[in-house]
Amino acid sequence: DSGVTQTPKHLITATGQRVTLRCSPRSGDLSVYWYQQSLDQGLQFLIQYYNGEERAKGNILERFSAQQFPDLHSELNLSSLELGDSALYFCASSVGSSGYLEQFFGPGTRLTVL
Amino acid sequence: QQQVKQSPQSLIVQKGGISIINCAYENTAFDYFPWYQQFPGKGPALLIAIRPDVSEKKEGRFTISFNKSAKQFSLHIMDSQPGDSATYFCAVPDDAGNMLTFGGGTRLMVKP
Repeated sequence: DSGVTQTPKHLITATGQRVTLRCSPRSGDLSVYWYQQSLDQGLQFLIQYYNGEERAKGNILERFSAQQFPDLHSELNLSSLELGDSALYFCASSVGSSGYLEQFFGPGTRLTVL
Repeated sequence: QQQVKQSPQSLIVQKGGISIINCAYENTAFDYFPWYQQFPGKGPALLIAIRPDVSEKKEGRFTISFNKSAKQFSLHIMDSQPGDSATYFCAVPDDAGNMLTFGGGTRLMVKP
């Protein structure tokens, strides 16, 4: 158990809808990272927050947004969902802002868009 | 954006054999190269990492070898066990050290 929690575990929704994925980092970790994992794309970095501020951005679509709250939990919002957004979404956390050091991954949220 | 090429995509090894997974990268300003291990239904977890002030790092049955001039590093799993069956990802830091770019993953199956 990495200490990172993600809810929900599974999410099934329809095209055009909006969903929110939630992540609680390990106690003491200030950075949160979001990744998308699909069969043909591997692990794609989406975005990093450090202590409430956006720190780094990857290939995150404009339909997607994230934020980190004062209690350090984070939410990833996905809107106008398309079939291709079906994937596993992982949250990871680390102590500092340097994301290249060890990241602790949560168990993921499996999103299915029908 | 950093490209990280990992090979092979899948690997089947007999119990007791050696598993070798390779990773090639373009450029990075940060000398830190990790391998992550992911079991089905779980998130990835750091397995082993190397800082290239050394060309090799060993932890138990797992060894990373690093070739800086070729911009390549490899994971060797000695005496592979069925419990090693998982997906393995190499990763490379971006130039700012803020994020990791992961390779495409290698699905390893160790047959008993």
